[in-house]
Amino acid sequence: DTAVSQTPKYLVTQMGNDKSIKCEQNLGHDTMYWYKQDSKKFLKIMFSYNNKELIINETVPNRFSPKSPDKAHLNLHINSLELGDSAVYFCASSQEGLGLIEQGTEAFFGQGTRLTVV
Amino acid sequence: QQPVQSPQAVILREGEDAVINCSSSKALYSVHWYRQKHGEAPVFLMILLKGGEQKGHEKISASFNEKKQQSSLYLTASQLSYSGTYFCGTERLGGGTSYGKLTFGQGTILTVHP
Repeated sequence: DTAVSQTPKYLVTQMGNDKSIKCEQNLGHDTMYWYKQDSKKFLKIMFSYNNKELIINETVPNRFSPKSPDKAHLNLHINSLELGDSAVYFCASSQEGLGLIEQGTEAFFGQGTRLTVV
Repeated sequence: QQPVQSPQAVILREGEDAVINCSSSKALYSVHWYRQKHGEAPVFLMILLKGGEQKGHEKISASFNEKKQQSSLYLTASQLSYSGTYFCGTERLGGGTSYGKLTFGQGTILTVHP
């Protein structure tokens, strides 16, 4: 069973379109994340949700809107796509949220969604 | 603020050793190490908490010097399978906006040749 699954794996779309990426985790984790990995392989956090509540919202254009219907799902909706949005988007999850448990917790990543805006 | 990794790239022959460093300008709660192979998701290697502990994972180990806010990943007797990009991720001390935030370094590309 896949622990963190994202769909779709590849997404090619035109500028100006609206698209969504879905993420589901079956690990029972409380916290989920969206990361963006650009062409230089830099992994940058975008959002963090804990038990369906938004915890972190980095400096991300408001065209990006995360939605967490329950703690096992965190979807990412992107409006008015731009060329610069092209990247690989990774969903991840961890238990309790990093930094709260003395022993620390690892983050499990989905396989990524390669978004190409043309 | 993202941690800084060095070197940016390492090329090894099988059996050789390597060290990858990660440093932060902020007080850290923990350091995570991940490896990402081309076209795949990052995979967790280990986590080190403040306290200066050292951990091992097969022939890969790491240390965390909390006073210097530095961590080092040690790869010994490298194998072809070690090739990939290694990322350190750091959690800062303190709550608020630091909570639940794993900030990654820029990555170190490790290539192991036969």
